[in-house]
Amino acid sequence: GAGVSQSPSNKVTEKGKDVELRCDPISGHTALYWYRQSLGQGLEFLIYFQGNSAPDKSGLPSDRFSAERTGGSVSTLTIQRTQQEDSAVYLCASSLLGGGSSYNEQFFGPGTRLTVL
Amino acid sequence: KQEVTQIPAALSVPEGENLVLNCSFTDSAIYNLQWFRQDPGKGLTSLLLIQSSQREQTSGRLNASLDKSSGRSTLYIAASQPGDSATYLCAVKSSASKIIFGSGTRLSIRP
Repeated sequence: GAGVSQSPSNKVTEKGKDVELRCDPISGHTALYWYRQSLGQGLEFLIYFQGNSAPDKSGLPSDRFSAERTGGSVSTLTIQRTQQEDSAVYLCASSLLGGGSSYNEQFFGPGTRLTVL
Repeated sequence: KQEVTQIPAALSVPEGENLVLNCSFTDSAIYNLQWFRQDPGKGLTSLLLIQSSQREQTSGRLNASLDKSSGRSTLYIAASQPGDSATYLCAVKSSASKIIFGSGTRLSIRP
């Protein structure tokens, strides 16, 4: 595809359930980022993948959150035992280069709006 | 710890005016700074990226400047149009992995 895609666009779940959010980055992009944007808040960094390197998970808010990136392309963000405070828009971005490159323009997907009842 | 601040939080101006949005950051050791716009309920659209070695970037009616020594960036919008109404976010890449976003300026252009 031409851009970053995310699915589903909307997800409503009950407290305590697990959810999986998917991100398809732009083909050939080596870096992938997950962010969370809560209502009225700025973007909060969650996790970063760069090629085959170990991901930077320092932004994950709790051990209920995990993410993987298979084959260096598609990424899945999993939230276990969802809580109401997990309700937010989850945004994925990819860039051609990452790491220490100063030229790594990020391209964002449309996001997944998660609502935990 | 890098902190990114955008002031004002909201701005309303009449159509046709030139305007400046501000972004400040606390740690001048950055890789780059990127400006985005976000329309309600949508994802982010990249506007301009300024590398650490650059002072400014231009795209159409937009011009972004970067002054690392003072920890400031500005986004200049010329001849504003109602379609420019959106939230504008600046983001600073200050490590190999993390990108820190400001909380944004919500811009409204009055016809």
